[in-house]
Amino acid sequence: GESVGLHLPTLSVQEGDNSIINCAYSNSASDYFIWYKQESGKGPQFIIDIRSNMDKRQGQRVTVLLNKTVKHLSLQIAATQPGDSAVYFCAEWNTGNQYYFGTGTSLTVIP
Amino acid sequence: DTEVTQTPKHLVMGMTNKKSLKCEQHMGHRAMYWYKQKAKKPPELMFVYSYEKLSINESVPSRFSPECPNSSLLNLHLHALQPEDSALYLCASSQGGSRYGYTFGSGTRLTVV
Repeated sequence: GESVGLHLPTLSVQEGDNSIINCAYSNSASDYFIWYKQESGKGPQFIIDIRSNMDKRQGQRVTVLLNKTVKHLSLQIAATQPGDSAVYFCAEWNTGNQYYFGTGTSLTVIP
Repeated sequence: DTEVTQTPKHLVMGMTNKKSLKCEQHMGHRAMYWYKQKAKKPPELMFVYSYEKLSINESVPSRFSPECPNSSLLNLHLHALQPEDSALYLCASSQGGSRYGYTFGSGTRLTVV
């Protein structure tokens, strides 16, 4: 399953499928990005980060891709599990010395 | 200890009440933050404290008053709030304002009646 952020704020995938969550950022000067996962009733939790001098970074079951040409970030989750159900936010760090959070995408995993 | 602890978890207050939200971390982080999050929206930055000094105030109304008594504690004093101030208030901390990720608390769910 795949989302395009503002246009598809919710994403439903079958358990075991791969998920792709997309994020468009606004500031070409942003040089660091983080994906956060926020479960219901909890604060955002760090998942993975990427610097602007990279275009791909892999973690455990998660991969972040960065396309600076079109200012686009994506989070890929392999073999999605029910515990992955949450809202996912991308956040960009720029010269304002603070994070700007994207709109968020709500991921629902169907058992 | 790798957590940011926020109390209380839930708070209901009247528009004439005065209350405080508390945040505590023992990771040695020197930057602490208050965020406001409405339902199904991203967190919005309110205040940043760096080395116990207020460094960013994102034009927050004066009915919200932050305080950083020491490097481990952050308070948010609330007075004369409006129903539209009802939200999840998140505290976060980081290494001296480092870009390399914040640790968030679980938040205080505030309802103003």
